[in-house]
Formats: sequence, C-alpha cells, structure tokens
Amino acid sequence: GAVVSQHPSRVICKSGTSVKIECRSLDFQATTMFWYRQFPKQSLMLMATSNEGSKATYEQGVEKDKFLINHASLTLSTLTVTSAHPEDSSFYICSARLRDRATYEQYFGPGTRLTVT
Amino acid sequence: AQSVTQLGSHVSVSEGALVLLRCNYSSSVPPYLFWYVQYPNQGLQLLLKYTSAATLVKGINGFEAEFKKSETSFHLTKPSAHMSDAAEYFCAVTMNSGGSNYKLTFGKGTLLTVNP
Repeated sequence: GAVVSQHPSRVICKSGTSVKIECRSLDFQATTMFWYRQFPKQSLMLMATSNEGSKATYEQGVEKDKFLINHASLTLSTLTVTSAHPEDSSFYICSARLRDRATYEQYFGPGTRLTVT
Repeated sequence: AQSVTQLGSHVSVSEGALVLLRCNYSSSVPPYLFWYVQYPNQGLQLLLKYTSAATLVKGINGFEAEFKKSETSFHLTKPSAHMSDAAEYFCAVTMNSGGSNYKLTFGKGTLLTVNP
C-alpha cells in the first residue's frame, strides 16, 4: 500500500516552454503533498508543500510564478514549470502524506527527470 | 529549527564488512528520524524510522539504527554488506508536531560503495 506515482518519468523540452508533472497517490488519500528538487549528486531540497484545496506554501527562494503547484484533489498534485530554462533541468520528486492520520510519514514517488534544451 | 549532518559523503566497504553511516541531527523539539535509500534515477525508499518508541530501530534489508539523544545521533548500520546495498543513503528529520506539516529536512547524503 501507499504507492505514489509520477508522470512522466522523463521529459525533454525546449527552452521557453512549460512542462507539467503529475503526482498521484494510487491507493490512499493524501492531505499533503510535497515537491522536491534534486540536483546531480546532491540532496533533496523541498520546493513547496501543497494541501488539498488550498494554495501551496513555497520555500524561501523558490519562485512561485515559475513553479506552479495545483493540488486539486486528495490524490493528485501537479507541478508546472513555466517558461523552462536549462537551469531548471533537474530531478523532481514528489511525496504524499496520508489523510486522516496525524502521521509524519511521507511516501515518495519515483521522480521525474526534466531536461531543458 | 531542524538540521541533519551526515558525516562522510562517500563510504566504501568490502562485501561482507560492517556498514556504518553516520547521522547527527539538531532539533528544537523531539524529533522523528528517518533513513532513506535511493538507487540511481529512482525515488526514495524508507529503510527505517525512529518515532520516540524503541531507541534501537530495525529496518528492511538488515539495516538498523540507534537513536542516542545524548549524542544527537542516529547512525545506520548493517553487519554484513551486500553488493546490492550500493546506493545513496539519506538521513532525514522532522519535528513531531503536525504544525510543521511534518516537513522533512534531509542530510546531504552518503554514497555507499560495496567492493567485491
């Protein structure tokens, strides 16, 4: 149980275009979803926290107009990278926290590799 | 505030040898602590977690970790390394308070290499 999927797993786009990444909790409802960014050989950096039905909370230094997050349902959150540039190339990972429990545990998706050319 | 320090960005062991990956934390309130493993181009898999119950925590794949409050440490060990253990390992901390949404703070990671 507690499976999180991401789509696509890998995407290549041209500079200036927008890319949408989906994060789905497959067998549970997620109160909260988190979006992380990971550069090669580095740790995960939290970008934003999204709660279903409300605006995402962005970490300091993350441009909210560039990284649009929508948490429209208890099983789906999307991250849209707008006007992507090569420096946005990275590995993006989402995680989800179970609903209805005061639980700390996050379940991670498999990640999306974004390459901007 | 919370933070995690992983000592050693790269640890190399021989197959069958003891694995020891170090993690020290800082937290203003009692923490929850986690160890995750990441294989190349994949997401994170939870190895084990400490949530204020037993201080010696056993996880998957033969790994265990001991929470030592006096040393603010949560080191990961495995008695005998397998080739399949080669991966990146992350220590993470969150405060045991829902007010933070249980945000995780990760260490920088330790790359474990297992030599035949």
